[in-house]
Formats: sequence, C-alpha cells, structure tokens
Amino acid sequence: DTEVTQTPKHLVMGMTNKKSLKCEQHMGHRAMYWYKQKAKKPPELMFVYSYEKLSINESVPSRFSPECPNSSLLNLHLHALQPEDSALYLCASSQDLRDRNYGYTFGSGTRLTVV
Amino acid sequence: GQQVMQIPQYQHVQEGEDFTTYCNSSTTLSNIQWYKQRPGGHPVFLIQLVKSGEVKKQKRLTFQFGEAKKNSSLHITATQTTDVGTYFCAGGDLKTSYDKVIFGPGTSLSVIP
Repeated sequence: DTEVTQTPKHLVMGMTNKKSLKCEQHMGHRAMYWYKQKAKKPPELMFVYSYEKLSINESVPSRFSPECPNSSLLNLHLHALQPEDSALYLCASSQDLRDRNYGYTFGSGTRLTVV
Repeated sequence: GQQVMQIPQYQHVQEGEDFTTYCNSSTTLSNIQWYKQRPGGHPVFLIQLVKSGEVKKQKRLTFQFGEAKKNSSLHITATQTTDVGTYFCAGGDLKTSYDKVIFGPGTSLSVIP
C-alpha cells in the first residue's frame, strides 16, 4: 500500500461547528504532516509529527488541533473556524524527518469550506 | 527566514517545445525536492537531489542541483499535454535540526496542443 488516504474529500462547516479531518497511511512512514493549500499557492506547513510526537507547530491558531493516535493515523480537529480557513488540507507522510531518498507522499486532500 | 523562489510563475508552451523552471533559495539547502500538481489534484513527488552539482534524469525530465546548493532547475524536453500542471520545488533547510521542507511558489505550465 503506497497511499495516503484522507477523509472526507469535501467538507462544509459552519463557524460554530466542530469537525475532524482524518489521514491514514500503511507504508510504515514515521513522519506525518498537515499542510494547508490555498488556490494557486504552494502548500503551507502546519504541523509535523515524528514517531507519533508533535515536532513542529508552525504557529497555527489553536482552532486547529492535531492528534496522532498511532503511527498510521493523523487527525486534525477543527473548531470555531473562520471563512478564511477555507482551503485544501493536505496530509503527507515520509519515511522519517531526515529521509534522504524519498520525498513526501501526499493524500488527495480535504477541500474545506467554512460558511 | 529561509525563502524559496521560483521563476517563471507561469509558462505557456506549444506542445513539443522545451520548458525550464528555476528554483532559488536564500539559504543553503540540505536537499531539494520537486513535485508536480495537476489541476484539481495533489502534489506528487518527482525526485530528490542531495549532492552539490547533482543531475538526475527521468525520461524527458532533467533535474539539476547547483554547486552551492542554493538553486535548482527542472527541464522538460519536448513537452506533452500530460505535462500540464504546477511544478513546485521544495527545499530542506540546512540550518535546522530536521529537514523542514519549504515549498517554492510553483511554476504553472500550460501546453497548447
């Protein structure tokens, strides 16, 4: 299995809702990432997990809360989002943080719309 | 902080013409990765370069990493309509204790059949 699976593919939520994005990989990768991508922009790093521990938080607002329940799963909990948070949320994984041979494997993303 | 720049921002070519995108970093990179994102899709890893002056080829694609490890290029020979998409370089920062990867803004390639 060489895929990163993200669910849901599309999500519309109100500003008072609580929702979660899910990401799963079964490649044995030990680093997992959340990226945010706005239209016609590059992916922007949000969080990095290495061996199930949070390694990097790129000063992301607390309305985004990541969770890594085990080495295969990564969640992003959303609460009280703003319309400007509407974007494509991408999960990615890699062998480990300092892998020199392979890049990131990205999931197909969750397209989030906040209304 | 580290900045990764790419030029051009957009490129329109006739099918069969060559295409090159250039990537420049404000700091020395530990490695450079290249990704392709089709319209409506997600980034797909193409290649990673680690060594100074490294050149790698994948069929019609040629990737180079500069001697100073601050720039890179992707050259596509004889473009096809399947090459359409945005090409991102992504650089690892040598100064950090981990390979934090910063994406460049991307070059959007259109191929006119």
